[in-house]
Amino acid sequence: EPEVTQTPSHQVTQMGQEVILRCVPISNHLYFYWYRQILGQKVEFLVSFYNNEISEKSEIFDDQFSVERPDGSNFTLKIRSTKLEDSAMYFCASSTRLAGSETQYFGPGTRLLVL
Amino acid sequence: RKEVEQDPGPFNVPEGATVAFNCTYSNSASQSFFWYRQDCRKEPKLLMSVYSSGNEDGRFTAQLNRASQYISLLIRDSKLSDSATYLCAVGAFSGGYNKLIFGAGTRLAVHP
Repeated sequence: EPEVTQTPSHQVTQMGQEVILRCVPISNHLYFYWYRQILGQKVEFLVSFYNNEISEKSEIFDDQFSVERPDGSNFTLKIRSTKLEDSAMYFCASSTRLAGSETQYFGPGTRLLVL
Repeated sequence: RKEVEQDPGPFNVPEGATVAFNCTYSNSASQSFFWYRQDCRKEPKLLMSVYSSGNEDGRFTAQLNRASQYISLLIRDSKLSDSATYLCAVGAFSGGYNKLIFGAGTRLAVHP
């Protein structure tokens, strides 16, 4: 069964450093998402991406965040200057279509720890 | 009012028990509804989509009540392996794009 994959599984970084989280969505999916989950809290939407542009972003997704699809398979989330509060699990998700009943499939996540 | 609210749990039940999870959502324009299962420190995994007519998959039954803005999940004959956190998710579809709004989750612990 096709899966969303993410690398790295864990990332430890110093505050102020840039990190890039990588995702390979399911191959025939066209819509991509990033979510995050701070330890002990709920899963929160960050951004959705379609046709090489951001379609929606949350208040969390400020100027420090950016997303890119640099080639036909990868989808990346960059945090330019990490803060302590960016420590969380980051999940990538993908789906086949937009209509109300489309299903999003999640990758295994990258656990980011900012020291 | 929170966008998606769930029973806080945890639910501790013996094997074989029937357990019900409830979820309410605030946006009446929501069009898609899901139950995900999340094991500790893992990704949400889709359990079921939820339709107005209700749907069943083996021991799992999901119901949607649009008038009351309420979603439920029933697990019959619970197994030890059902122990997990159950997340209600509502698709906020607007302007042609969709995002999932998750509830905080309800933890289920099934014991022998």
